[in-house]
Amino acid sequence: AQSVTQLDSHVSVSEGTPVLLRCNYSSSYSPSLFWYVQHPNKGLQLLLKYTSAATLVKGINGFEAEFKKSETSFHLTKPSAHMSDAAEYFCVVKGTALIFGKGTTLSVSS
Amino acid sequence: EAQVTQNPRYLITVTGKKLTVTCSQNMNHEYMSWYRQDPGLGLRQIYYSMNVEVTDKGDVPEGYKVSRKEKRNFPLILESPSPNQTSLYFCASSFGTDNSPLHFGNGTRLTVT
Repeated sequence: AQSVTQLDSHVSVSEGTPVLLRCNYSSSYSPSLFWYVQHPNKGLQLLLKYTSAATLVKGINGFEAEFKKSETSFHLTKPSAHMSDAAEYFCVVKGTALIFGKGTTLSVSS
Repeated sequence: EAQVTQNPRYLITVTGKKLTVTCSQNMNHEYMSWYRQDPGLGLRQIYYSMNVEVTDKGDVPEGYKVSRKEKRNFPLILESPSPNQTSLYFCASSFGTDNSPLHFGNGTRLTVT
């Protein structure tokens, strides 16, 4: 069975500080993993995806994620937060089905 | 421009009045899907379609119907809407392979009174 857990429902950071959004997954075989971002009143947009190539994946807008099989994690990071990063972020695992995490709301203060 | 188009963006209706939310994609994607998004529950899949004339139930199909007569269109039908179907709905499409990401529409906010 597959599952995905986003460990924080809400993360608050100051502009210019690092961002860490945590995601753990469970899958009986090697999954594809994705991070999506949702800005208010918008659909979800793909940030990055892991597909069993490089374990460190770079995405758009300076985000990256590292696949750690031993920890079954796929955490999303960004070195320096920007006000425009405030949004909801979803970790998604794809095996036999597509499973969405419940989302993490990122707030960025000036 | 490659996109998934949903209509309408906002819809307020009454219990029992049939409605259809349209979804169209211009990327020649085989796979299309409908989700509903509710606070604290994330996105839950309603129905999906692997190709024309092929549809399957997702996690929460009760009260919904879909059809896939053409590759580009995947309408969501609520034959007799109820207040518990008040939600934010998203249509999405992809090429359907393991690594192909989903492309989402901008959502339809439905209120059933």
